Amino acid sequence: DAGVTQSPTHLIKTRGQQVTLRCSPKSGHDTVSWYQQALGQGPQFIFQYYEEEERQRGNFPDRFSGHQFPNYSSELNVNALLLGDSALYLCASSSYSLGQGLAYGYTFGSGTRLTVV
Amino acid sequence: SQQGEEDPQALSIQEGENATMNCSYKTSINNLQWYRQNSGRGLVHLILIRSNEREKHSGRLRVTLDTSKKSSSLLITASRAADTASYFCATDNGDDKIIFGKGTRLHILP
Repeated sequence: DAGVTQSPTHLIKTRGQQVTLRCSPKSGHDTVSWYQQALGQGPQFIFQYYEEEERQRGNFPDRFSGHQFPNYSSELNVNALLLGDSALYLCASSSYSLGQGLAYGYTFGSGTRLTVV
Repeated sequence: SQQGEEDPQALSIQEGENATMNCSYKTSINNLQWYRQNSGRGLVHLILIRSNEREKHSGRLRVTLDTSKKSSSLLITASRAADTASYFCATDNGDDKIIFGKGTRLHILP
C-alpha cells in the first residue's frame, strides 16, 4: 500500500521563477493538505483540497495556488518566487468519516526541499 | 499561525529514561495529535486523542489530554536512540485542518 508520494525531492529555483510541486495521496484518501516548513519551525498550513476544490486556506499570499485532480493527486504552484519561500514543502493526505471528522491522523509525504537563490 | 506550543523546545536525556513533552493550545479542539519528524523529512503520525478522551496509549507512548487546561502531554517510556527526533503536537478544532506547534527537539544520549 503506497503512502504519500511527493516529487521532486529537491529543487533549486531562481528568484522570480515559478515552481510546481506534485503529490499523490495515500490509497483510499481523498483530501490533500499542503504545508510549508521553514528550518527549525513547525509546519505552516497553506491550503487543503477536497473534491477538486480548495476547502481551507491558511495565511499565504495568492502567489501560492493549487489544484486537485479527479484521481485525488494534487499540485502546489508558487509564482514569483522569493528567497523566503525556501522551505520544506509537505503534502499530507487524509480521509474523513461522516459525522466524526478526521478519522485518523494525516499521512505525510517525505517533502520537497525548495531552495530559492 | 501556530495553535499549539510545545514545551520544552529541546530535551536531552539518557537512553532508557522517560521523556515527557507538553503542548498547550488556545482554542477548543476536536482532537489533538502528536507527530514525529526525523531529520527534517516527512512527519509520522504517532497518536490521535479526541476531545472526549483523557488518556491514550500506543506501545511506549502515553498521551494525556486536559481540555480544561487546554494542554496535552506525550510520554515516551524507556527511550531509545531511534527516538531522537522532533515531536510536534497538532490540533484539529473541527474545521478539518490541523495546525502544528513549533515542536520539541528530543535527543537521546547513549
